[in-house]
Amino acid sequence: EADIYQTPRYLVIGTGKKITLECSQTMGHDKMYWYQQDPGMELHLIHYSYGVNSTEKGDLSSESTVSRIRTEHFPLTLESARPSHTSQYLCASSERTALSYEQYFGPGTRLTVT
Amino acid sequence: KNQVEQSPQSLIILEGKNCTLQCNYTVSPFSNLRWYKQDTGRGPVSLTIMTFSENTKSNGRYTATLDADTKQSSMHITASQLSDSASYICVVSDRGSTLGRLYFGRGTQLTVWP
Repeated sequence: EADIYQTPRYLVIGTGKKITLECSQTMGHDKMYWYQQDPGMELHLIHYSYGVNSTEKGDLSSESTVSRIRTEHFPLTLESARPSHTSQYLCASSERTALSYEQYFGPGTRLTVT
Repeated sequence: KNQVEQSPQSLIILEGKNCTLQCNYTVSPFSNLRWYKQDTGRGPVSLTIMTFSENTKSNGRYTATLDADTKQSSMHITASQLSDSASYICVVSDRGSTLGRLYFGRGTQLTVWP
């Protein structure tokens, strides 16, 4: 069982509100990721980080922002939530193995913007 | 374009029966192929990971096969249980990325009925 945590698990919020989705891992992994997943669809990478003070945008354009001030913490922020932001957000971290980068996923945050 | 296609989209089987899920990919250069299990409302959990040189990999009742020549993989589940009800996601990693770039399929939604 991977030690990666996300809070809140579920969030219902009104349009225009600022929200922060929390993600933390206790495995000491340098690489961390945020994915967005709609029902029945594939995961899309929206942000990633190689380590502290490193953040990059992923393949899917997102209005969210991320920060990486500590190795174990990778929060995602939406300054002004909109209904189009309704989705599941999954955080992951990875370690370098002999094969590749094994990614471990958190339980996800289900966001609903009304 | 790097893509991962899975079939069927959904599958219903009776408890105790076997089933096979399919995955075709166009990712190049190929590094490894993973199968994840994602329970509803949870993050994906890794079942198997195979490199180019591996043809089969088992994890309990889950057996994955890989044909790197035809770029096809399958996940065979034997003696299904109710707890096998989940989405099974095929994920392919490319060799050229230090990020550990992953390409996700949309998953096969498996339902096991008693």
